[in-house]
Amino acid sequence: GAGVSQSPRYKVAKRGQDVALRCDPISGHVSLFWYQQALGQGPEFLTYFQNEAQLDKSGLPSDRFFAERPEGSVSTLKIQRTQQEDSAVYLCASRRRGNTEAFFGQGTRLTVV
Amino acid sequence: GESVGLHLPTLSVQEGDNSIINCAYSNSASDYFIWYKQESGKGPQFIIDIRSNMDKRQGQRVTVLLNKTVKHLSLQIAATQPGDSAVYFCAENIMTGGFKTIFGAGTRLFVKA
Repeated sequence: GAGVSQSPRYKVAKRGQDVALRCDPISGHVSLFWYQQALGQGPEFLTYFQNEAQLDKSGLPSDRFFAERPEGSVSTLKIQRTQQEDSAVYLCASRRRGNTEAFFGQGTRLTVV
Repeated sequence: GESVGLHLPTLSVQEGDNSIINCAYSNSASDYFIWYKQESGKGPQFIIDIRSNMDKRQGQRVTVLLNKTVKHLSLQIAATQPGDSAVYFCAENIMTGGFKTIFGAGTRLFVKA
């Protein structure tokens, strides 16, 4: 596709439910990032992949959060036993090797009720 | 906490005037500094970047200035247009295997017609 695609666009989960958020990066982009953006705040770094290798997961807020990119393209961010504080927009971005410009998807807005 | 922050949360300018958005950073090891624009309901969009060994870079209607002595970054938008209304984030690339991008909290720019 032309850009980074994220699905679903909106997700409502009951507290305690597991969710999986999908990111399709731009084809050929080596780097992939996940961010969490609360209302009125800047994107907070969660984790970073280079191809299939997860090089940095220091931003994942708890062990309920897990991300994978098994074949170095599509990535999934999984949140187990969702809590209300997990409500946010989850942004995915991809970047070509050697570039500083990251291309962002429109995000998945997660609401935990 | 974040190492990149912003001086003002909101900025209101008249259409046609120049806008200046400021940002302070604390991580001296950053290799690149980047400005992103985020419109409502969309992911951040790259505007311009500047390498840490430069002090000025110009793009189309935008100029980024970097003052490493005081750890200050600014984005200047010439002849501001209604379409420039958005939230602007400064960000920095930090080495972590590859480079991860850390965002500040953002400044909302309002352009009055």
